[in-house]
Amino acid sequence: DAMVIQNPRYQVTQFGKPVTLSCSQTLNHNVMYWYQQKSSQAPKLLFHYYDKDFNNEADTPDNFQSRRPNTSFCFLDIRSPGLGDAAMYLCATSGGAEDIQYFGAGTRLSVL
Amino acid sequence: EDQVTQSPEALRLQEGESSSLNCSYTVSGLRGLFWYRQDPGKGPEFLFTLYSAGEEKEKERLKATLTKKESFLHITAPKPEDSATYLCAVPSGGYNKLIFGAGTRLAVHP
Repeated sequence: DAMVIQNPRYQVTQFGKPVTLSCSQTLNHNVMYWYQQKSSQAPKLLFHYYDKDFNNEADTPDNFQSRRPNTSFCFLDIRSPGLGDAAMYLCATSGGAEDIQYFGAGTRLSVL
Repeated sequence: EDQVTQSPEALRLQEGESSSLNCSYTVSGLRGLFWYRQDPGKGPEFLFTLYSAGEEKEKERLKATLTKKESFLHITAPKPEDSATYLCAVPSGGYNKLIFGAGTRLAVHP
């Protein structure tokens, strides 16, 4: 059974139209991460939450925001998507003894 | 700056042809090295964690090894279903932020 669930799997939006991606987890992990992965590139961390403590990477554009209303859910908001934001967005969680990060299946975002 | 480099970028093998993938890393104070498998259009799937030089872990046809500067993922007698991108990563900074390599795209042909 999927433990990190991302919705939707595919999202198409228009240039400049806000979009929200969703992640939920059944692992009760206290850390949640959002990564951006462009084609044939390494996943790149955008930000993460330790419980409700938000941590932004220095090079994450202001266009990207995140919310974590409770332990189970985390959202990625892209306020004004540009063509360069088309990518796979991966959510991950960690909190076990070995600090392994478990990933969801990802959301593929297309910007028209 | 912490860094991970994987080679080769792509590898094509015949079914049954064993080979190795390389992951070189530069990190201040290694707190583990992670191997993931990623199928097209999906999220990375955890394979192994290695913590100290000399450590080895195995899973089916895969064996991961670790030295002080690099890790190898050995694939013995691969099958077409082993075709995927293999990513390695190291924790960096607080809360185990992972620095990933760009991956090795493995294609195994019958």
